[in-house]
Amino acid sequence: NFMLTQPHSVSGSPGKTVTISCTRSSGRIASNYVQWYQQRPGSSPTTIIFNDGQRPSGVPDRFSGSVDSSSNSASLTISGLETEDEADYYCQSSDIDNPMVFGGGTKLTVL
Amino acid sequence: EVQLVESGGGFVQPGGSLRLSCAGSGFIFDNYWMVWVRQAPGKGLVWVARINMNGKITQYADSVKGRFTISRDNAKNTLYLQMNTLRAEDTAVYFCATEYVQGVDHWGQGSLVTVSS
Repeated sequence: NFMLTQPHSVSGSPGKTVTISCTRSSGRIASNYVQWYQQRPGSSPTTIIFNDGQRPSGVPDRFSGSVDSSSNSASLTISGLETEDEADYYCQSSDIDNPMVFGGGTKLTVL
Repeated sequence: EVQLVESGGGFVQPGGSLRLSCAGSGFIFDNYWMVWVRQAPGKGLVWVARINMNGKITQYADSVKGRFTISRDNAKNTLYLQMNTLRAEDTAVYFCATEYVQGVDHWGQGSLVTVSS
């Protein structure tokens, strides 16, 4: 089984840009799509990025996703930080034996 | 608008059983694989089980294999999770969700299951 490792927490000021990394422990990151989910306190998760870098309708283009094969990791970048972005963020991917593996989650604090 | 509404959660003693339901609306239910994902208090998301469109293919996380059964009734647009031989470590909020490609598309609001003596 592979793991997805995320930083426990990140922070940024309103208007700034933050990036959350998601590193795959084994297997190639580019072999399977990466998704990102946002979970605000007390709410269920919502999908903000699918298929590495696609945004569902209604998700602002301040949110972007990418994959870097050289570091075997994916990244979620949030630009123009807003206070409402304060939430937990989870990456997720898969392989043939593991349909859905989630990262441990990153708590974003908007200072 | 896609809606997924879970029900059936509650308090149960170790070794007991519970069945969760998830009613879907606003989309063509039998066009989607469906999944259950759980979240223990203060912890992260963990995949539990998935089922294909006609209900004939199912997969389970090792932690629940042999104890949990995922099923669906497409005529009722409803997903189920039968949970038997429950353990304290099964305590979590259980989310049903639609699966899209290799991830989750839409999430329900969750149903809390508490296993305690």
